[in-house]
Amino acid sequence: SYMLTQPPSVSVAPGQTAKITCGGNNIGSKSVHWYRQKSGQAPVLVVYDDSDRPSGIPERFSGSNSGNTATLTISRVEAGDEADYYCQVWHTSSDGVFGGGTKLTVL
Amino acid sequence: QVQLVQSGADVKKPGASVKISCKASGFTFSNYNMHWVRQAPGQGLEWMGIIDRSGTSTHYAQNLQDRVTITRDTSTNTVLLDLSSLRVEDTAIYYCARDLKLVRGPLDLWGQGTLVTVSS
Repeated sequence: SYMLTQPPSVSVAPGQTAKITCGGNNIGSKSVHWYRQKSGQAPVLVVYDDSDRPSGIPERFSGSNSGNTATLTISRVEAGDEADYYCQVWHTSSDGVFGGGTKLTVL
Repeated sequence: QVQLVQSGADVKKPGASVKISCKASGFTFSNYNMHWVRQAPGQGLEWMGIIDRSGTSTHYAQNLQDRVTITRDTSTNTVLLDLSSLRVEDTAIYYCARDLKLVRGPLDLWGQGTLVTVSS
């Protein structure tokens, strides 16, 4: 089965840039979606198809995907960005696959 | 208002079945594939399965396919998750979610979640 690997945690100071990676075998050939989940809430889509943003998501959220790594970048991090972030792809078996999640801490 | 509203929390004994509903409003329900995703306490997200727009085709995660059934009722704009032979490890929050695309795409709208507790 296909696996996605995320760092368990990332810490960043307010105003700085956070980068959250998602590793997978040849993930660059797949479309990667990213979700933010704040404590006690349902997930929210923040980036889809590697680098597109749904309406209502700030331009501070961006994504890239190449080779074996996809990256979610959050610029000018704010306290309100503190959450768990999950990457997701569709495997060739048609199964959905999520990464293990990364807890973003704003120092 | 575009939303998915799920049924309330439930407590079940091991071996029982649970049925969770998810009612859509504010959009044309029949235009979207629907998914179920679950999250065990303190754990990550786990995709469970998908039902297509017409309700005629489903696909389930391999580790659940013997116990899970997803159906939809277009007359009530509702998608249903049925999980049988419950185990303690099925304790989780269950989410329904809408697929943005015609073929597997991002999940752009989520229900509020339904906590299912399996305990003897």
